[in-house]
Amino acid sequence: AQSVTQPDIHITVSEGASLELRCNYSYGATPYLFWYVQSPGQGLQLLLKYFSGDTLVQGIKGFEAEFKRSQSSFNLRKPSVHWSDAAEYFCAAASGDYKLSFGAGTTVTVRA
Amino acid sequence: DTGVSQDPRHKITKRGQNVTFRCDPISEHNRLYWYRQTLGQGPEFLTYFQNEAQLEKSRLLSDRFSAERPKGSFSTLEIQRTEQGDSAMYLCASSLPRKAAASYEQYFGPGTRLTVT
Repeated sequence: AQSVTQPDIHITVSEGASLELRCNYSYGATPYLFWYVQSPGQGLQLLLKYFSGDTLVQGIKGFEAEFKRSQSSFNLRKPSVHWSDAAEYFCAAASGDYKLSFGAGTTVTVRA
Repeated sequence: DTGVSQDPRHKITKRGQNVTFRCDPISEHNRLYWYRQTLGQGPEFLTYFQNEAQLEKSRLLSDRFSAERPKGSFSTLEIQRTEQGDSAMYLCASSLPRKAAASYEQYFGPGTRLTVT
């Protein structure tokens, strides 16, 4: 069955420190991959996407993600976290049909 | 580009009542999706439309749920005889088919939070 896994439920990081959120997918073929961010009570905002080509993709708000086919991973990174980055982050994938399959999310807390 | 809008933002209803939610997609987006998100989980696909045609429905969409998109613009999601287990955030998204991969890029509305008491 197709699935997306985010191994970390909750991550706490200090402001200014680097952040990495893990995402693994299980699909027959490489799916299209996405990262979304959700602030409390809000909808989802698209941070970045991977379709093909360069395995390091840049997104909004200073985020980047690296696609690694050998590890079936698409990890999200940010070199220096700001307090406003506290939110829930979702990795998603789609293949063939158009529906997105989401991971369970990772909650990021930023401490001063 | 005004984004995807949803109405209402919050709905509290008593068990057994019917509720209807509305979604207005980004103009010119001909694909529209509904997802449900429960606390601590990622969104789960419910159904999607291409123009006015409903092309796929999840098994999560029981007989009490119905969605329409009568003129290929806005969509409504109705839940009949609500149950406490229906309490969730209902998210709408839209996309515009351009190059094949870009068709998968979905833009989400703020959601409707349903509480069934």
